[in-house]
Amino acid sequence: DAGVIQSPRHEVTEMGQEVTLRCKPISGHNSLFWYRQTMMRGLELLIYFNNNVPIDDSGMPEDRFSAKMPNASFSTLKIQPSEPRDSAVYFCASSLQGAVGELFFGEGSRLTVL
Amino acid sequence: GQQVMQIPQYQHVQEGEDFTTYCNSSTTLSNIQWYKQRPGGHPVFLIQLVKSGEVKKQKRLTFQFGEAKKNSSLHITATQTTDVGTYFCAGNGGSQGNLIFGKGTKLSVKP
Repeated sequence: DAGVIQSPRHEVTEMGQEVTLRCKPISGHNSLFWYRQTMMRGLELLIYFNNNVPIDDSGMPEDRFSAKMPNASFSTLKIQPSEPRDSAVYFCASSLQGAVGELFFGEGSRLTVL
Repeated sequence: GQQVMQIPQYQHVQEGEDFTTYCNSSTTLSNIQWYKQRPGGHPVFLIQLVKSGEVKKQKRLTFQFGEAKKNSSLHITATQTTDVGTYFCAGNGGSQGNLIFGKGTKLSVKP
């Protein structure tokens, strides 16, 4: 059974460019999480969807960040315009039971903004 | 908002020594989870604790949830080089159903 699939695995872009990260959760999971990981701030929750509906987006840094989940099998995290301080590893995770059960993480998307 | 603090940030041990990481929440948790992240990898679920005072064991790993459900610990007995990685606790405060991670404890094991 395939796990959580994220793309791209690596992205290098220039400041000001738009970045779109993609995530395919595990089939049948009803909850999806986007986390950002940096050395300084650790794993930060950006946004959490339940049944495709955003439940908590209080971690989204600012208006430059947006996330969508148009259906149960796909989510995107968009940064426009990107800035060097957005450089991080972005993880998508899915679960059967929200934060009550195990989160399955994807391999992550490593973003570098020059 | 809810905060989850984890100490120590780093721990260097000799193979065979024990290791413990501690997790404290600013609020009472409905459950706490532990994850391990190998260098260059992604977090992988280890265990979930739900009940006050709960203790669970997985081979050399012992997990404990405090009586007040605000703190937790992970203890590894006789560390091995395969234990290398960062160990995270993650707390669920219950109100929004989201999971807040501590900053992790990075364990290195010297053979």
